[in-house]
Amino acid sequence: EAQVTQNPRYLITVTGKKLTVTCSQNMNHEYMSWYRQDPGLGLRQIYYSMNVEVTDKGDVPEGYKVSRKEKRNFPLILESPSPNQTSLYFCASVERITDTQYFGPGTRLTVL
Amino acid sequence: AQTVTQSQPEMSVQEAETVTLSCTYDTSENNYYLFWYKQPPSRQMILVIRQEAYKQQNATENRFSVNFQKAAKSFSLKISDSQLGDTAMYFCAFMAAFSTSGTYKYIFGTGTRLKVLA
Repeated sequence: EAQVTQNPRYLITVTGKKLTVTCSQNMNHEYMSWYRQDPGLGLRQIYYSMNVEVTDKGDVPEGYKVSRKEKRNFPLILESPSPNQTSLYFCASVERITDTQYFGPGTRLTVL
Repeated sequence: AQTVTQSQPEMSVQEAETVTLSCTYDTSENNYYLFWYKQPPSRQMILVIRQEAYKQQNATENRFSVNFQKAAKSFSLKISDSQLGDTAMYFCAFMAAFSTSGTYKYIFGTGTRLKVLA
């Protein structure tokens, strides 16, 4: 089944404790992206990657890092999480023929 | 810069009735795509419908159709014969592909929460 997976689905952590949210897609998509969703703000892009070893900042990159060592994986790293990073996070990949974005199931992160 | 505006934070509709969700956007690009995504309580983002800007014909998917007015930069979603399962947050999204850099730009609206009443 073609899909984008994220782990963990739920995470509660404390300020300053490094964490990684994994993202993997099995559709051989080149373009992948991370978003955060906050009430009243919609989805805002954090980082994106056009291909292996090619990443760039989105609209809200502060406090986040990403890497793209393999085509299928695009982890999101929070080196020192803060409470304002409490949010719902989505990973997505783009199917180039239709330019349609497919989303993972989301990760609910709470930083205390 | 591109922007997407959804001016209706919440809407409700009776089951079996028709409802229209509004979306306007701003861009200087000529080639782009527009999407409607549905987010039910499960939080999964589900693609509802997609429209290419160069196509004048409005996209339809079963009970879902759009009214795409390129000159007015308007992209509304019509849901016919509303069902309880249509209760969800709906996001309008804009996408432009930049051939020179090979990248994409996605912009989402703030969403419209739709409740279908029994």
